[in-house]
Amino acid sequence: QQPVQSPQAVILREGEDAVINCSSSKALYSVHWYRQKHGEAPVFLMILLKGGEQKGHEKISASFNEKKQQSSLYLTASQLSYSGTYFCGTEGPSYDKVIFGPGTSLSVIP
Amino acid sequence: NAGVTQTPKFQVLKTGQSMTLQCAQDMNHNSMYWYRQDPGMGLRLIYYSASEGTTDKGEVPNGYNVSRLNKREFSLRLESAAPSQTSVYFCASHLGWGDTQYFGPGTRLTVL
Repeated sequence: QQPVQSPQAVILREGEDAVINCSSSKALYSVHWYRQKHGEAPVFLMILLKGGEQKGHEKISASFNEKKQQSSLYLTASQLSYSGTYFCGTEGPSYDKVIFGPGTSLSVIP
Repeated sequence: NAGVTQTPKFQVLKTGQSMTLQCAQDMNHNSMYWYRQDPGMGLRLIYYSASEGTTDKGEVPNGYNVSRLNKREFSLRLESAAPSQTSVYFCASHLGWGDTQYFGPGTRLTVL
């Protein structure tokens, strides 16, 4: 089942902060975050695993609330290069597939 | 390393024609995936292969078949293309659970 993302779209001015949320009705064991620029393939940002392990870029921060089955991606001091569509992907415990949410469109303007 | 490669990059088909989309990875990954992307729908999983020799259906498998030819290659076949299959198709791979997925550049398919 596809995870839910919010907001659907957000517009920021350079330097502003944003939070993108991802939630699932199923138990989460890992959450993936990717960014996609128009006409390009998605690019890895971060993975959060049950138990607290994180893998990803130093400048990106995210949280994973296992009990609430939610994850949030924090974008601080936004830059023009942050523009794109952000996807969260979720994995269950014992099957090896990643299901993605519908995406959040982020636009950073000068 | 080339990463994940896909062929072709663009394709136009007529309704009822068949074709195979090719995907290969050179990272010795165990798992491979096919997604389709439509405006506002995000990335929807068509089929995946957790390891060589296994394939499983994803969210939207109807109208597609797959073959995991070997550890490197995972192909997607449209037996009788329909306009509803017009989309951008991405192949992805990763080592396994909890590992980064790497995406290919995509195939833009139009079915007339």
